[in-house]
Amino acid sequence: KNQVEQSPQSLIILEGKNCTLQCNYTVSPFSNLRWYKQDTGRGPVSLTIMTFSENTKSNGRYTATLDADTKQSSLHITASQLSDSASYICVVSFANDYKLSFGAGTTVTVRA
Amino acid sequence: NAGVTQTPKFQVLKTGQSMTLQCAQDMNHNSMYWYRQDPGMGLRLIYYSASEGTTDKGEVPNGYNVSRLNKREFSLRLESAAPSQTSVYFCASSPRGDRVIGTEAFFGQGTRLTVV
Repeated sequence: KNQVEQSPQSLIILEGKNCTLQCNYTVSPFSNLRWYKQDTGRGPVSLTIMTFSENTKSNGRYTATLDADTKQSSLHITASQLSDSASYICVVSFANDYKLSFGAGTTVTVRA
Repeated sequence: NAGVTQTPKFQVLKTGQSMTLQCAQDMNHNSMYWYRQDPGMGLRLIYYSASEGTTDKGEVPNGYNVSRLNKREFSLRLESAAPSQTSVYFCASSPRGDRVIGTEAFFGQGTRLTVV
């Protein structure tokens, strides 16, 4: 069973609208949580990274939240643009080694 | 800066053929990783190298070997390719590994491998 579950699997939104992506994890002990954006045919690019003591982090129109008690994170995209069409991947790292645990991603399609 | 560079970008192999995927980073990072990405699944770690001279198995190491040639380069070898190894392969590097809070991993652009 994957230790990082993302929802929804995919979503379609109209340009200018907001959306929120969810990430639930069971990784323990936890070190940090990251959100990556992956454009089609490209490697993932980091959007935000949060430690267990942080509960929100912004990067432009992207805002990530973290609740380490419930082991949930969300990524909110504000005023979506066509260039936001991509897969968004939640990644959680273990505190004790070098390994990252990846969610399967949420595919976001922004339509004009 | 180029960041993490992977070669080739695309490759088609016949079952049983061998090949090596190359990865190089110019950020002076200590740790390097090889992942595979399959549809509907998260990236899965094949092998990683926490520092020059060391390599360790990840989640799905069977059918692969790696070499940390030097601090910059980390190659992935398929000795006898199988159709199940059809995937997109990503190399990544990070400054000191995930023991350091705030460390980020930087990814290459991927190699799309098809085994027929």
